[in-house]
Amino acid sequence: GQQLNQSPQSMFIQEGEDVSMNCTSSSIFNTWLWYKQDPGEGPVLLIALYKAGELTSNGRLTAQFGITRKDSFLNISASIPSDVGIYFCAGQLGGSQGNLIFGKGTKLSVKP
Amino acid sequence: DGGITQSPKYLFRKEGQNVTLSCEQNLNHDAMYWYRQDPGQGLRLIYYSQIVNDFQKGDIAEGYSVSREKKESFPLTVTSAQKNPTAFYLCASNAGALGGELFFGEGSRLTVL
Repeated sequence: GQQLNQSPQSMFIQEGEDVSMNCTSSSIFNTWLWYKQDPGEGPVLLIALYKAGELTSNGRLTAQFGITRKDSFLNISASIPSDVGIYFCAGQLGGSQGNLIFGKGTKLSVKP
Repeated sequence: DGGITQSPKYLFRKEGQNVTLSCEQNLNHDAMYWYRQDPGQGLRLIYYSQIVNDFQKGDIAEGYSVSREKKESFPLTVTSAQKNPTAFYLCASNAGALGGELFFGEGSRLTVL
């Protein structure tokens, strides 16, 4: 089936550092979503993107819908300990009403 | 407050037993979904339902069954035919457009002893 390649798989950073992660695919998507999951909890939606080139911020988080519609990135500025968790990208394939496809996640660890 | 409620949070089961996980939403969403999550893996779709009394298989439906008798409820049964049932199960819902923003419950962790 279709796949999203999410990278990096894990990150260990110092508090205060900026973080960047991305998802890529060989297919075109018409929606990109970014979720955060805390341990033992369900994912929570952070940012939703619907247009190629769209750049959206939510506090210290910024995400962009790639101009080619095949990728998206999420940046976190000035990380804090509560940013710890697993971040997932999810996309809906262009030209379809298909279900969301999820990346395998980026596990973020923050050292105080 | 509106949301999705999953129960139980933790469940232990002996091999050969069926178990049913509950999912209730009060968001008035038409569509509901069940995902399975294993360590280091993304979310894999088990079943989904766009409307009452109708549901579709996802990517890994074997060994699972669902029902959608009410708009608010979408229970998942993990049957004894599921060979590797130990996992974290997530229920989600959205307004109905397939692939639109999903809202998730807090998950149910099933452990088979």
